[in-house]
Amino acid sequence: EPEVTQTPSHQVTQMGQEVILRCVPISNHLYFYWYRQILGQKVEFLVSFYNNEISEKSEIFDDQFSVERPDGSNFTLKIRSTKLEDSAMYFCASTPGGVQPQHFGDGTRLSIL
Amino acid sequence: KQEVTQIPAALSVPEGENLVLNCSFTDSAIYNLQWFRQDPGKGLTSLLLIQSSQREQTSGRLNASLDKSSGRSTLYIAASQPGDSATYLCAVRGYGKTSYDKVIFGPGTSLSVIP
Repeated sequence: EPEVTQTPSHQVTQMGQEVILRCVPISNHLYFYWYRQILGQKVEFLVSFYNNEISEKSEIFDDQFSVERPDGSNFTLKIRSTKLEDSAMYFCASTPGGVQPQHFGDGTRLSIL
Repeated sequence: KQEVTQIPAALSVPEGENLVLNCSFTDSAIYNLQWFRQDPGKGLTSLLLIQSSQREQTSGRLNASLDKSSGRSTLYIAASQPGDSATYLCAVRGYGKTSYDKVIFGPGTSLSVIP
C-alpha cells in the first residue's frame, strides 16, 4: 500500500539555524498538510496546500515557516531561524481529495539545541 | 474558533469489553470528521472518516457516529483487544479563513486494554 514518507526521521539543529523537513506524499494525492506535535501535547495544524499554493495556515505558521512543492513528488517545510520551542514531531499528510481520509507519514522528530 | 475536546482523557478496560470514546466540537460547520489511532512514538493511522452529511461509518469492530448539530462524535469499539491499546484522536476539518481546509485535532483518549 502506498505510504507518505518523511525524511529525516530525526533532525538535530542548533538554535537559529535553518532546517528543511522533507515529505513525499502518495503519488496521486492533491492536498498536502503539515502538523506538529510537541511532546505530550495535541497535534496542531500548521498549513494546508493545494494547487501549488497555501489553502490555510494557522497562527503558528508565521513568517519563519514556508512550504514548497519543488517538483512533482516532494513537499517541504522550511523553518528559517529555529527556536527552542520549535522542538517537536512534525507530521506530513496527504489526501486525494476532501472526501478521502488523510494519510500520515511517521514524522520527523526535530530537536533544537 | 473551532475547539475539539475528547472524553475521557484516559481509559483502562479489561479485554473483551465494548467501549465508547467521545469527541465534541464547538463549531458545527464542518466538512468532515476523522478518527485516528496513534501508537507511542509513531505517526497517525486513519480509522474512519465521516462526511458532514453522514451519520455513521463502520469498519470491522469500529463504528463511528456523527451528530453535527450537537457537535458530537463517538467511536465505538466492540470486543476490545490488547492490541487496541493506543491513543485515539478525532480531527475536524472545517472552514479556516479562506477554505474548508483547516484541521483541528482533539487532545486524544489514551486507551489501555488489559489482558
